[in-house]
Amino acid sequence: KAGVTQTPRYLIKTRGQQVTLSCSPISGHRSVSWYQQTPGQGLQFLFEYFSETQRNKGNFPGRFSGRQFSNSRSEMNVSTLELGDSALYLCASSEGWVTDTQYFGPGTRLTVL
Amino acid sequence: AQKITQTQPGMFVQEKEAVTLDCTYDTSDPSYGLFWYKQPSSGEMIFLIYQGSYDQQNATEGRYSLNFQKARKSANLVISASQLGDSAMYFCAMRGAQGGSEKLVFGKGTKLTVNP
Repeated sequence: KAGVTQTPRYLIKTRGQQVTLSCSPISGHRSVSWYQQTPGQGLQFLFEYFSETQRNKGNFPGRFSGRQFSNSRSEMNVSTLELGDSALYLCASSEGWVTDTQYFGPGTRLTVL
Repeated sequence: AQKITQTQPGMFVQEKEAVTLDCTYDTSDPSYGLFWYKQPSSGEMIFLIYQGSYDQQNATEGRYSLNFQKARKSANLVISASQLGDSAMYFCAMRGAQGGSEKLVFGKGTKLTVNP
């Protein structure tokens, strides 16, 4: 099976712009979670989707949003980018049961100038 | 609230030797899962091993084993016969009951360097 794929892999934006990141889960996986990784804050949970419904949300401002499509692919959007949004954004997928293991994609490295 | 603590920012080990990476956790959930992930410099998080809170035996996956001591709330990763390719960041993570969510809480990580 192909692993989790994320596009784009690298992105450079300027403050105030918005960005959309995409994640395609492992075939058959119905749950997608997003995490932000920064040197200062480490790995932080953004949100989790299961069957097109947001199942949980982390403590991030409303500028961060996401969605999941019927084919389980997910997108996250960050509006009005700030310098502090520069990070590695990791997507993980699982079959959907809360006892399942999450498998991660390669990440999207976002730089905000 | 759940918390993972990894007290070793960096560890060094000689090739072919064993190494233990420490992880302690705190949770009030009676049911939880503990994970270890490896993150090479490329950035991808690679799943290594899983331990459930009710599992009676310590988990093993090839050269990886998890030393689970529930009373001490520790879940240390043991890598046997280290290889140069094991050089990476290692993260301990926990998932609790949390009303049906798969949210993972991560520690700060340990950077492992394997010397030839």
